[in-house]
Amino acid sequence: DIQMTQSPSSLSASVGDRVTITCRASQSISNYLNWYQQKPGKAPKVLIYAASSLQSGVPTRFSGSGSGTDFTLTISSLQPEDFATYYCQQSYSTPYTFGQGTKLEIK
Amino acid sequence: QVQLQESGPGLVKPSQTLSLTCTVSGGSISSGGYYWSWIRQHPGKGLEWIGYIYYSGSTYYNPSLKSRVTISVDTSKNQFSLKLSSVTAADTAVYYCARDGDTVPAYFDYWGQGTLVTVSS
Repeated sequence: DIQMTQSPSSLSASVGDRVTITCRASQSISNYLNWYQQKPGKAPKVLIYAASSLQSGVPTRFSGSGSGTDFTLTISSLQPEDFATYYCQQSYSTPYTFGQGTKLEIK
Repeated sequence: QVQLQESGPGLVKPSQTLSLTCTVSGGSISSGGYYWSWIRQHPGKGLEWIGYIYYSGSTYYNPSLKSRVTISVDTSKNQFSLKLSSVTAADTAVYYCARDGDTVPAYFDYWGQGTLVTVSS
């Protein structure tokens, strides 16, 4: 299985901050990397697919980059509704695997 | 707009079989091009992909659960189902059904709201 490791596991930030979350794969996965946002009691919602493609309807303050084994999710200016948990997920090979999550909290 | 809805018992006894159904609306499973997945999330933990099925019935299961998992599809009802046998307390989780989109690379573009299944006597 491909292991996905996110850092940090938790992060405190303020509204307006620029935030970056990283995800590392245990082997090269090309650009087969997706990012999801999950709020308490809700299903995850896709933000970014194929490492850098913005899902329709997702605000442009979200962006993704990377290829191979190292990826980043950046939120350019945090909004109150962005405080949530973020997961990366690889779809390069089955079984699909997720990172352990990054909880973004209000400072 | 595609919608997915999980249904099934919220409480299952140890050693029994967990059974859940996902009903799809706003799109047809039999139209092809998509894989239909089950994903679970242990309380306060991360996400674990269980497996998927194609409309034709072909499946892939996570090897970590393969010996206990069966995913099936009923195209006439536009539903797909999960059975997990010999459950223990470690199978207590929120179970989600999701659609694996037809892009390359694939990603989960639509999810059900999730259903909590507790394994307890």
